[in-house]
Amino acid sequence: GAGVSQSPSNKVTEKGKDVELRCDPISGHTALYWYRQSLGQGLEFLIYFQGNSAPDKSGLPSDRFSAERTGGSVSTLTIQRTQQEDSAVYLCASKSGGVRNEQFFGPGTRLTVL
Amino acid sequence: AQTVTQSQPEMSVQEAETVTLSCTYDTSENNYYLFWYKQPPSRQMILVIRQEAYKQQNATENRFSVNFQKAAKSFSLKISDSQLGDTAMYFCAFISNTGNQFYFGTGTSLTVIP
Repeated sequence: GAGVSQSPSNKVTEKGKDVELRCDPISGHTALYWYRQSLGQGLEFLIYFQGNSAPDKSGLPSDRFSAERTGGSVSTLTIQRTQQEDSAVYLCASKSGGVRNEQFFGPGTRLTVL
Repeated sequence: AQTVTQSQPEMSVQEAETVTLSCTYDTSENNYYLFWYKQPPSRQMILVIRQEAYKQQNATENRFSVNFQKAAKSFSLKISDSQLGDTAMYFCAFISNTGNQFYFGTGTSLTVIP
């Protein structure tokens, strides 16, 4: 079946504008993660959704960042009033139930804030 | 809190040779899972190998194997018969049996030299 998809693949925006990044997880996967990967860095956890439970937002770096997951499927990460330090690759991953199960990653969205 | 450390930012290996990537982690948990992910220039993260902490036997997947030393909290990845397609960033990751969040190292950039 189809893997995790993300759109857009690249986004260039001006400082101060809002952006929305989309993630379509694998059908049936109950867990969805957002990560930020800055140049030369590892993956920074942002937010985690599991089924109908309240999301774990502990990784969001500021209140300019928010995410939602509609109908337990598609997720949107929104960054308001973007700053240059928000420039990074934003990765989405989904997984089915069970801790041992691997995450399946999307190809990411490269965000550039000018 | 869990931490994952990859102390080798960059490595290179001759084609057909063997290379070992290091990963150490810190946790007070007894049951957990460890992963190695590969991220080629295409940005698509894919799972290379997975180890369950309660299993003493080291995981093996074709040319990829791990040396899991639970007492030392070490989880190294050995790539045998290196191929040009192995050129990528490699990330070590940890998740506890009771947690939701994956913890990633900062990655090792591996270059296979023809």
